[in-house]
Amino acid sequence: SAVISQKPSRDICQRGTSLTIQCQVDSQVTMMFWYRQQPGQSLTLIATANQGSEATYESGFVIDKFPISRPNLTFSTLTVSNMSPEDSSIYLCSVGSAGEQYFGPGTRLTVT
Amino acid sequence: DQQVKQNSPSLSVQEGRISILNCDYTNSMFDYFLWYKKYPAEGPTFLISISSIKDKNEDGRFTVFLNKSAKHLSLHIVPSQPGDSAVYFCAASTQGGSEKLVFGKGTKLTVNP
Repeated sequence: SAVISQKPSRDICQRGTSLTIQCQVDSQVTMMFWYRQQPGQSLTLIATANQGSEATYESGFVIDKFPISRPNLTFSTLTVSNMSPEDSSIYLCSVGSAGEQYFGPGTRLTVT
Repeated sequence: DQQVKQNSPSLSVQEGRISILNCDYTNSMFDYFLWYKKYPAEGPTFLISISSIKDKNEDGRFTVFLNKSAKHLSLHIVPSQPGDSAVYFCAASTQGGSEKLVFGKGTKLTVNP
């Protein structure tokens, strides 16, 4: 298993601003995933981030809104850009294969 | 279009009894299924998985049953303990688990002492 930390754990932001969420893993991993969990909804995959290549985004998510960086094998960031109240969610990073993923504690974002 | 459905948002059981959490799926290409447990303010924790070549997988107090013809799986917890109180997510994948996970909305389990 892997130990994953995220910063910040929570934040309250004003609409129109951007927030960058950091994800740190205690071991080198090839693939990192970013998920969103809107209130009362399931976890939805935003994108897959491989080190050294562009992130792969799922349908409904675009790079301009959710730019991702993956500078090395232990770290990634997700930025939520030009936020609106609909972006209020828990954002989680995870690592591992799809068969067994390990999740960070999540970042609870509230947009006012 | 929700491909993985957990139709019970909550479940309450007495300590020592069996907890049964259900999950239905619509995509016949799913061939790998997982259950995650999530406590408040923590990320989901992997609990147990099952491949479509099996119909049952057991790990201690946790057993997952898969009924492919009904596109249904269930998680049994026996005996239930108060520490099992959490939100349980069902997830599914294709290609033997090598593709992305599709999650259900979760079922909140409360085990009463």
